[in-house]
Amino acid sequence: NAGVIQTPRHKVTGKGQEATLWCEPISGHSAVFWYRQTIVQGLEFLTYFRNQAPIDDSGMPKERFSAQMPNQSHSTLKIQSTQPQDSAVYLCASSPTGRGNQAPLFGEGTRLSVL
Amino acid sequence: GDQVEQSPSALSLHEGTGSALRCNFTTTMRAVQWFQQNSRGSLINLFYLASGTKENGRLKSTFNSKESYSTLHIRDAQLEDSGTYFCAAEDGTEGADRLTFGKGTQLIIQP
Repeated sequence: NAGVIQTPRHKVTGKGQEATLWCEPISGHSAVFWYRQTIVQGLEFLTYFRNQAPIDDSGMPKERFSAQMPNQSHSTLKIQSTQPQDSAVYLCASSPTGRGNQAPLFGEGTRLSVL
Repeated sequence: GDQVEQSPSALSLHEGTGSALRCNFTTTMRAVQWFQQNSRGSLINLFYLASGTKENGRLKSTFNSKESYSTLHIRDAQLEDSGTYFCAAEDGTEGADRLTFGKGTQLIIQP
C-alpha cells in the first residue's frame, strides 16, 4: 500500500499562471480531503469528497480555487491566476468512509511556490 | 476565536525526560487526532481517539470530550521525537467530518 500519493511534490508558478495539484487516495478509501498549510495560518481545511461527490467546500476560497474528483482514483485541486499568497503546502488525505473511528491518512503534500 | 487551542507552542526537553502537550476545544468535538510532522513535512498519525486513553510505546494520549480537552504525553524523550506536533479535532456536528487543527507544538529534544 503506497499511501496517499500527491504530485508534483514541488511546483513553482509565476503570478497569474494556473496550477493543478493531483491526489491519488488509498485504494478503497471513499473520502478525500484537501488541506493547506502556511506559516501564518497553520493547517486549514479546504474541501472534502465522499464517493466522488463534493460534501463540504466551506474552506475553499470563493474565487480561483476549484476541486474535482472525476473518479475514485484521483482528485485535483486547481488554482487559477495564482497569487503569491497562494504559496503553501497543499495536503491531501483519504479515509475509508470519512466517518468516525477511521482516521484520515495524509499524503506528503505539494509545496506550491508562486513567484 | 480558535476552536482548537494547543499549548505550549514550543517545548525543549532533554533526552530521557518527558512532558505533556494539551489541546483545549471551545466546542464539542467528536474525535481527536494527534500527528507528528517530521522534517520532510509529512504528517504522521500518532493517535485517533473518540474517547478515553490510548498508549503506544513512549506516547500516551487522552481525550475527554465532556471537558473538551486532549493531552499527549511523551516519556523518555529521544532525539527522533523532535518535530512539530499537531492535534486536530472532528467537529461533533453531523456531517462535519473535516479536521480543525491546533497551531502546533514545536518540540526540540536536546542531548
